[in-house]
Amino acid sequence: AQTVTQSQPEMSVQEAETVTLSCTYDTSENNYYLFWYKQPPSRQMILVIRQEAYKQQNATENRFSVNFQKAAKSFSLKISDSQLGDTAMYFCAFMKRNGNQFYFGTGTSLTVIP
Amino acid sequence: EAQVTQNPRYLITVTGKKLTVTCSQNMNHEYMSWYRQDPGLGLRQIYYSMNVEVTDKGDVPEGYKVSRKEKRNFPLILESPSPNQTSLYFCASSSHLGGQSGNEKLFFGSGTQLSVL
Repeated sequence: AQTVTQSQPEMSVQEAETVTLSCTYDTSENNYYLFWYKQPPSRQMILVIRQEAYKQQNATENRFSVNFQKAAKSFSLKISDSQLGDTAMYFCAFMKRNGNQFYFGTGTSLTVIP
Repeated sequence: EAQVTQNPRYLITVTGKKLTVTCSQNMNHEYMSWYRQDPGLGLRQIYYSMNVEVTDKGDVPEGYKVSRKEKRNFPLILESPSPNQTSLYFCASSSHLGGQSGNEKLFFGSGTQLSVL
């Protein structure tokens, strides 16, 4: 089984500042996908960003970007210009290509301070 | 509107009383799965289904049953709930999981908070 590790249970950031959430994973696969999901207090799981391992270019979605280091098996999420609405639990997830299971990390609770 | 619908959102029950959490998706997705979310443990997969009448165990299947008689529905059944099954449950679906489309992602329901007393 694959493992996904999020070593920061809680983080905080001042509004308008930048914050980086870390994620590492363990796999012997070469082709896979990585995801960041956001879970606000409403509990809804929202896809933030998706990275394909065979693409070297880091994915970006507006204020959200990733730093994907395949050799280091690292997949961090950077949130720029943090907003109060970014306050949420963030989950990193892994899925191998042609796979049938997602593997989630334990989550990082992010608080944006006004 | 494309969505995954779970019911109920909240459920309090007692040990041993059988219950079913329903899940339905209107996107014609082949793949559906159930997760439980516990503090400090993240989301763990209970069961998944690649298509009608095809189900398989995830990482924590003990104490749960599922069925996939129709493409849109994937109910989670707890035959004899116990307090250690108190958790937040999510159903999810995808059209491309296990395929080669390059567009794999999960669509989640809004969750069911279950308390077993």
